[in-house]
Amino acid sequence: AQSVTQLGSHVSVSEGALVLLRCNYSSSVPPYLFWYVQYPNQGLQLLLKYTTGATLVKGINGFEAEFKKSETSFHLTKPSAHMSDAAEYFCAVSEFGNQFYFGTGTSLTVIP
Amino acid sequence: NAGVTQTPKFRVLKTGQSMTLLCAQDMNHEYMYWYRQDPGMGLRLIHYSVGEGTTAKGEVPDGYNVSRLKKQNFLLGLESAAPSQTSVYFCASSNGLAGRGETQYFGPGTRLLVL
Repeated sequence: AQSVTQLGSHVSVSEGALVLLRCNYSSSVPPYLFWYVQYPNQGLQLLLKYTTGATLVKGINGFEAEFKKSETSFHLTKPSAHMSDAAEYFCAVSEFGNQFYFGTGTSLTVIP
Repeated sequence: NAGVTQTPKFRVLKTGQSMTLLCAQDMNHEYMYWYRQDPGMGLRLIHYSVGEGTTAKGEVPDGYNVSRLKKQNFLLGLESAAPSQTSVYFCASSNGLAGRGETQYFGPGTRLLVL
């Protein structure tokens, strides 16, 4: 079975600073990788995903993530944090099946 | 186009009571999923369906049953609620197989408290 590790359950950044949320996975084959965002009292929505092709993936709201097979990582970044980015972020992995494995989430706080 | 809706939004149950959570989607998606979200544990798949009339077990199916009698609806049942089932429940749907990279669309969630 897959496992997904998100380092840091809480991350705080200043407004305008770089956002870096870490995700590592365990897989013996290239997986499909996702980042979802959850705003307070809402369901999850897709930020971006990697399936095949270019390893640098751009998503909504200025976020991007890079698939690094050698490091089994899919870290999420944004050059400049905005107050509206405060939310819970989930990394997820699937591997040729209907099973989805979510990480435990990282809560992002943006400090004015 | 409402997307994915869930009913009810919040419910309190006593141990041993039963209830059904309703998920509806208007996107004509084949695949539907039920997850539970617990603090510090992320989302875990309970059951899923790959089409009308089909259901399958996910990672944590014990204590739950599901039905997909209509393509647009996916019901999650708790026959005898236990405090361990206190959680936030999310329904999701996707056009293709989520395991092959299809995007899942989530409902707003149902908060369930079992006393």
